[in-house]
Amino acid sequence: NAGVTQTPKFQVLKTGQSMTLQCAQDMNHNSMYWYRQDPGMGLRLIYYSASEGTTDKGEVPNGYNVSRLNKREFSLRLESAAPSQTSVYFCASRFARDYEQYFGPGTRLTVT
Amino acid sequence: EDKVVQSPLSLVVHEGDTVTLNCSYEVTNFRSLLWYKQEKKAPTFLFMLTSSGIEKKSGRLSSILDKKELFSILNITATQTGDSAVYLCAADTYSGGGADGLTFGKGTHLIIQP
Repeated sequence: NAGVTQTPKFQVLKTGQSMTLQCAQDMNHNSMYWYRQDPGMGLRLIYYSASEGTTDKGEVPNGYNVSRLNKREFSLRLESAAPSQTSVYFCASRFARDYEQYFGPGTRLTVT
Repeated sequence: EDKVVQSPLSLVVHEGDTVTLNCSYEVTNFRSLLWYKQEKKAPTFLFMLTSSGIEKKSGRLSSILDKKELFSILNITATQTGDSAVYLCAADTYSGGGADGLTFGKGTHLIIQP
């Protein structure tokens, strides 16, 4: 099992560019999440998908969109990147609520 | 607003010391408290605590939850340099308690000196 995988590992964007971060899990988990981690801020929830076919906003959704493509894949899109979106992005999944979350290796994004 | 506060934010000790990391929480519809270890990459799961007063143990690491006082501690005994990491505490909620997803503290950066 690969667990949770994310691509790319690193990305540099210019302000205004768009990109999609990809996440996939092979653990047959129902729920998937996107977090961002900034220095001194801990992890903050951007969007989540409690089950295939549903998505909902988390704590910091502005500037992002998501797609739950199927049970395995959950992508995060930045339509017009801003320097404030420079961060490390983690995807996570879990079987259901009340279970622990498993995290991917992260994507380090820099917006100049 | 849900809140998780960890202390200290950073800690430097010598190999062999025992450390205690603290986590307090104010969360609506609290379900469980989770601890993760992060070493410059993905957080890895350590413990999930749902009941007060029951210690969970894994090797030199142990953790306990106090649901009355709304806090948890993570103890590491006989520390080793490999324990150097950021330790994250997170609160989870019951279904219907708002957004699915964990509320994290800022983490405790633990450095173990040889």
